[in-house]
Amino acid sequence: GAVVSQHPSRVICKSGTSVKIECRSLDFQATTMFWYRQFPKQSLMLMATSNEGSKATYEQGVEKDKFLINHASLTLSTLTVTSAHPEDSSFYICSAFSGTGTTQGQFFGPGTRLTVL
Amino acid sequence: AQRVTQPEKLLSVFKGAPVELKCNYSYSGSPELFWYVQYSRQRLQLLLRHISRESIKGFTADLNKGETSFHLKKPFAQEEDSAMYYCALPTGGGNKLTFGTGTQLKVEL
Repeated sequence: GAVVSQHPSRVICKSGTSVKIECRSLDFQATTMFWYRQFPKQSLMLMATSNEGSKATYEQGVEKDKFLINHASLTLSTLTVTSAHPEDSSFYICSAFSGTGTTQGQFFGPGTRLTVL
Repeated sequence: AQRVTQPEKLLSVFKGAPVELKCNYSYSGSPELFWYVQYSRQRLQLLLRHISRESIKGFTADLNKGETSFHLKKPFAQEEDSAMYYCALPTGGGNKLTFGTGTQLKVEL
């Protein structure tokens, strides 16, 4: 149980285009999902907290107009990188919080590798 | 500020040797600490949490409030333990986690 998927696993796009990444909790409902960014051989950096039915909460220094987050249902959150630039190239990871049942805590997706040319 | 420190970027041990991955925290109150593991080309997954006091894959971690530490230990390292290990601390409410910088464990034959 507590499986989280991300789509796509890898995306390459041209500078100036927008890219949407989906995060789904497959077998549980998640009122809260999180989006992280991970640079090579570095730790995860929390970008924002995605709340179902309300606005996302962004961490300091993260541009909310650049990284649009939508959490339209209890099993899906999307991150859209708008007008992507090469410096946005990174590994984006989502997690979903499960607060009920025998498995509780944050469960992570496999990540999405974004390369902006 | 709530913070997690993992002082070692890389820890190399021989198979069968004891392992200790260090984690120190800064937190006001009673923390709930976690260890996450990321095997090569796999997703981050929960290894253990201090409140459950469990042993997973032979690993244990004890919360030492006096030393503000939550070191991860295993008496005999196995080759399959080679991975990236992250210590994490809930921060800011709302089930957010702050991760340490991670320690790469390499178990050599």
